[in-house]
Amino acid sequence: DVKVTQSSRYLVKRTGEKVFLECVQDMDHENMFWYRQDPGLGLRLIYFSYDVKMKEKGDIPEGYSVSREKKERFSLILESASTNQTSMYLCASSKGLAGFYEQYFGPGTRLTVT
Amino acid sequence: AQSVTQLDSQVPVFEEAPVELRCNYSSSVSVYLFWYVQYPNQGLQLLLKYLSGSTLVKGINGFEAEFNKSQTSFHLRKPSVHISDTAEYFCAVSDRKAAGNKLTFGGGTRVLVKP
Repeated sequence: DVKVTQSSRYLVKRTGEKVFLECVQDMDHENMFWYRQDPGLGLRLIYFSYDVKMKEKGDIPEGYSVSREKKERFSLILESASTNQTSMYLCASSKGLAGFYEQYFGPGTRLTVT
Repeated sequence: AQSVTQLDSQVPVFEEAPVELRCNYSSSVSVYLFWYVQYPNQGLQLLLKYLSGSTLVKGINGFEAEFNKSQTSFHLRKPSVHISDTAEYFCAVSDRKAAGNKLTFGGGTRVLVKP
């Protein structure tokens, strides 16, 4: 089974803190993605990466950055957390670049910024 | 830009009754279509996808969806639901010609199956 793991299920941080969310996949997938999930808005793409050290902005990249130093690991960074970044964050991976590939999701990290 | 509309945010349904979840997309390009399900406290998993061919697609757990190009819809159905189908369901599209495997999701539909 494909497995995507995220470092924390729940995280509470203070405004202004630097926050790291880690994601690891074990299926040698090329692509990795970070989404945020908010009620009524579904999932919105923050960043994605199609190769090591490569990254592309998604639909809502403001306030976030990412790092992919190894193929299996994709990190989401909140440089200075704000309360409007309180959300559920989901990581995903997929095998290839074509649009028909299924994405495999981690269990999510619920981040609260106070 | 693509957009996906799920017309119902919540759908209560009794056990063993049928359910239909509606999804419409707005796109001037050809798309691949997906339905994902999120069970409580879990990530998303794929229910089914339409790539080409027959417009009726069968997925896991007895779900099926029908692609209607003229109405730009991809509605999800199950003839008889179980308590275990309580979950949130997401419709998603990706552009056939765009690289990067990017998905655009709808807002989700919460299904609550009542005994």
